[in-house]
Amino acid sequence: DAKTTQPNSMESNEEEPVHLPCNHSTISGTDYIHWYRQLPSQGPEYVIHGLTSNVNNRMASLAIAEDRKSSTLILHRATLRDAAVYYCILIKGSGTYKYIFGTGTRLKVLA
Amino acid sequence: GAVVSQHPSRVICKSGTSVKIECRSLDFQATTMFWYRQFPKQSLMLMATSNEGSKATYEQGVEKDKFLINHASLTLSTLTVTSAHPEDSSFYICSARRGGQTRQETQYFGPGTRLLVL
Repeated sequence: DAKTTQPNSMESNEEEPVHLPCNHSTISGTDYIHWYRQLPSQGPEYVIHGLTSNVNNRMASLAIAEDRKSSTLILHRATLRDAAVYYCILIKGSGTYKYIFGTGTRLKVLA
Repeated sequence: GAVVSQHPSRVICKSGTSVKIECRSLDFQATTMFWYRQFPKQSLMLMATSNEGSKATYEQGVEKDKFLINHASLTLSTLTVTSAHPEDSSFYICSARRGGQTRQETQYFGPGTRLLVL
């Protein structure tokens, strides 16, 4: 299974942008990049996903490198409610599409 | 949006007893459900993949006789922890995929069940 690497933790001030990086150097051409986040004592929550082009939704933006070996989740204005563990996951192009979670990045938002 | 529920949300049991956790897709049919376990301060670990009407596929190192999974309908999968021991205490989370879903479509996660074995 393709592996992702993320920093263990990051800090941000409230109402400032946050850039959460993810390296996936073994990504194949048909793998989708999904981002989820997990608030304390809850199940993971979908954030955003993409294949090649940058993506925007109401929660965040996803910037994908041209060679697809890395991506960055962008929270435009961090709030205290964005404090969570953020996971970057690659979804293979066939099979049961099972998710293999890495260690994720624990985001701390400072008031 | 698609909603997945789990019951119970938390359970405390004595060592040696069995505990059943239910995972339900409330507003869609889930042909595939996944079960994860998460220890404190750690990531989610996939335990097994459950397909409706067939036997679950367990990940390496997960004892299938200890963690019994049944996916008897398109909206319900159950995980039974048999002869639970304190080391089975963990946060158990399920997720579900719609039938015919492609890889770009998201999975929907339940809120988790916290199990404490005394």
